Amino acid sequence: GQQLNQSPQSMFIQEGEDVSMNCTSSSIFNTWLWYKQDPGEGPVLLIALYKAGELTSNGRLTAQFGITRKDSFLNISASIPSDVGIYFCAGLKDISGNTPLVFGKGTRLSVIA
Amino acid sequence: GAVVSQHPSWVICKSGTSVKIECRSLDFQATTMFWYRQFPKQSLMLMATSNEGSKATYEQGVEKDKFLINHASLTLSTLTVTSAHPEDSSFYICSAPTGRHSPLHFGNGTRLTVT
Repeated sequence: GQQLNQSPQSMFIQEGEDVSMNCTSSSIFNTWLWYKQDPGEGPVLLIALYKAGELTSNGRLTAQFGITRKDSFLNISASIPSDVGIYFCAGLKDISGNTPLVFGKGTRLSVIA
Repeated sequence: GAVVSQHPSWVICKSGTSVKIECRSLDFQATTMFWYRQFPKQSLMLMATSNEGSKATYEQGVEKDKFLINHASLTLSTLTVTSAHPEDSSFYICSAPTGRHSPLHFGNGTRLTVT
């Protein structure tokens, strides 16, 4: 099935540093979502974006829905050890919510204290 | 709190047996639920779309006779892995939309190990 192009695949950063990851697609999505997954658990929603150009924050997290509706980025500021995990971007084409998500391959974040 | 409940969290079964995984929507009705499979260090891949009151829609390459999906009520979808083999060992996750403009919420997943 289709997947989004997510980068980077992995990151090793020092505690306190800022992090940036992004996703691109060859087709348009009407909703962009960012999830975090801890080992052995399901993905947990971090931020949902519904409008092109929208910039949304959730604590130290900031995400933007690209103007072209084909991309999105997630920034994490002042990283802490509990930020460790895998971050997935996901796109929805149908705003009704009754269509499945298309996922990126994930960004594995490691934070060095 | 969790809006989608998945059970069991983990299961170990012998090759050739069948395993049933439940996905429940809590406090909302879901006419559609989605089943994903995730292999180690990989992303979630959609297996099938579960439709209440009708047949599930399977993604290409997913055997419908092996992965039986039943969506008998507006709050419950089940995935049965029939005649399980070691290669079916994976992390199975369900999700459900809570409504229009609502993002999909996921269950906590089921770790299946087939010995």
